[in-house]
Amino acid sequence: QVQLVESGGGVVQPGGSLRLSCAASGFTFPSYNMHWVRQAPGKGLEWVAFMRSDGSSEYNADSVKGRFTISRDNSENTLYLQMNRLRADDTAVYYCAKDGGGGNCFFDYWGQGALVTVSS
Amino acid sequence: QTVVTQEPSFSVSPGGTVTLTCGLSSGSVSTSYYPSWYQQTPGQAPRTLIYRTYTRSSGVPDRFSGSILGNKAALTVTGAQAEDESDYYCALYMGSGIWVFGGGTKLTVL
Repeated sequence: QVQLVESGGGVVQPGGSLRLSCAASGFTFPSYNMHWVRQAPGKGLEWVAFMRSDGSSEYNADSVKGRFTISRDNSENTLYLQMNRLRADDTAVYYCAKDGGGGNCFFDYWGQGALVTVSS
Repeated sequence: QTVVTQEPSFSVSPGGTVTLTCGLSSGSVSTSYYPSWYQQTPGQAPRTLIYRTYTRSSGVPDRFSGSILGNKAALTVTGAQAEDESDYYCALYMGSGIWVFGGGTKLTVL
């Protein structure tokens, strides 16, 4: 069965950096595009970043552009999110999500999330 | 900036039918936006319900259905059950590798 397990969350000061990891199993990771989606406390879902299966291209929401970088290691079945210049409004649960594939443009499996708190 | 709109809240009686919608602040939602729908209960990860406008995800009961109604995407729950009380989010693919979620609808079953 598909499993996505996020790690690396925690408390960081404004302006600091953090790297999230998402360990994938139960499917052929190198064959699927992947996403990061976040949810601030008490708020809705916000798409953050997307990376193609082969790592050839990445896209980011305007709110994180220039600060966050999505990457992947297909040999380790792991997705990453490098977060720099963190702000208080980046505080959220960050979900790793598998793309549904087949050009269907949706998120079919989700991890349980990693909490990132940006606070001094 | 594109805003995806959803009703903030909705209420339905047990056994009743409710339709939640997903629109755009400017323009119409069509199948070209690949509308998808997600259900989330407090403290849990989202669960995928519908993708590509109409297709139910694996294991989703057939009381959930997706459609285009007028200029919006829609999620209809027919024969609502108590366990359907959740937050529901739509997502639209805007092209160029960009997705946008709606603000979510809190569905109450009472």
